[in-house]
Amino acid sequence: EVQLEESGGGLVQPGGSLRLSCAASGFPFSSYEMTWVRQGPGKGLEWISYISSGGDATYYADSVKGRFTISRDNAEKSLYLQMHSLRAEDTAVYYCARDFHAGAMYFDLWGRGTLVTVSS
Amino acid sequence: SYELTQPPSVSVSPGQTASITCSGDKLGSKFASWYHQRPGQSPVLVIYQDNRRPSGIPERFSGSNSGNTATLTIRGTQTLDEADYYCQAWDSDTAHVVFGGGTKLTVL
Repeated sequence: EVQLEESGGGLVQPGGSLRLSCAASGFPFSSYEMTWVRQGPGKGLEWISYISSGGDATYYADSVKGRFTISRDNAEKSLYLQMHSLRAEDTAVYYCARDFHAGAMYFDLWGRGTLVTVSS
Repeated sequence: SYELTQPPSVSVSPGQTASITCSGDKLGSKFASWYHQRPGQSPVLVIYQDNRRPSGIPERFSGSNSGNTATLTIRGTQTLDEADYYCQAWDSDTAHVVFGGGTKLTVL
């Protein structure tokens, strides 16, 4: 089955760190560009970060640049998001998503999301 | 930074046509995509490259994009189409993916 499954969310204190993972299955992960999108409680979708299929190119939203790092392990078919200096406004459901095709920048496969709560 | 603007809500009667707009500076020069998201579920791509439908998306979903406005049109709207709809584009100038604020479609 073609799917993405996020993990690693949880409760973290302000200023803390967390690493999210996204496990891919059912498709050639190494051929696809990937992205992270988050959705705060009751809010809309917010793009966070993108990584090329080989991992050599990455982009970040201004709201997380310098605090979050996207990476991938194609051998493990996994995508990661390392988050540092977390703030209350980072509280959200975090989705990983697959780019439709190389350079498309629209996303045809989404995981179910993992909830990150930043609170003391 | 590039912004996409959507109306917060749109209402339509069952069987009628719903139109949801998305506005952005020279949006017509970019590709627009659309997603729907039912409560508690993940987003689903319903339109890409302005007017193309992924496999499995009904023909009653269509899109257009010209000037500063992209439009998602749903013909013969059904109650199961009730969801939040988001437009999205890629801003190559900033290398940012941009989502609109979302439109809640109510079918009643």
